[in-house]
Amino acid sequence: SQTIHQWPATLVQPVGSPLSLECTVEGTSNPNLYWYRQAAGRGLQLLFYSVGIGQISSEVPQNLSASRPQDRQFILSSKKLLLSDSGFYLCAWTYGGARDTQYFGPGTRLTVL
Amino acid sequence: EDKVVQSPLSLVVHEGDTVTLNCSYEVTNFRSLLWYKQEKKAPTFLFMLTSSGIEKKSGRLSSILDKKELFSILNITATQTGDSAIYLCAVIQGGSEKLVFGKGMKLTVNP
Repeated sequence: SQTIHQWPATLVQPVGSPLSLECTVEGTSNPNLYWYRQAAGRGLQLLFYSVGIGQISSEVPQNLSASRPQDRQFILSSKKLLLSDSGFYLCAWTYGGARDTQYFGPGTRLTVL
Repeated sequence: EDKVVQSPLSLVVHEGDTVTLNCSYEVTNFRSLLWYKQEKKAPTFLFMLTSSGIEKKSGRLSSILDKKELFSILNITATQTGDSAIYLCAVIQGGSEKLVFGKGMKLTVNP
């Protein structure tokens, strides 16, 4: 069966510090991978998605970036965090013939102080 | 601009009540609509709807899509406190890899 992992689960970082969040998927190959941010009262905002290694599409211009160094690994990064980067970050994936259904990881709650 | 609107945004009911959650959308080249339930952490998948008039059912939950009027409803009968959650609606366009989410609807079921 397929599973998706995210770490860390929670993170408290000062403004201006770097960020690296990791997402990995097990039990499948060539998944589509997605990064979302969920802020209070704003719903799920798509940040990045990837259809393959090294292929990243950015949805929202900001100080975040994403990379996909391996087929089942998706990384969200920032060189300098802003207060507005606080939120709940979710990684999601789709696979095979059911590409419309996205399955979410457990998420990372980021607080920038 | 594509958009998904859920209503109401929040609802408080008593155990045993039946609730109906609404989701309307404006998306070019509609392909699918999905419902998710989000408790404390990650959203969990409930239903995917692609055809009008075909009800999807899972226990006390059911959902149906109307592609002519561009909306979907999610029904929960005999609600329980465990149904308390945020319910998310999302749509996907043909040729796209992206889901567009509504803001979610917070359901609170009181004992």
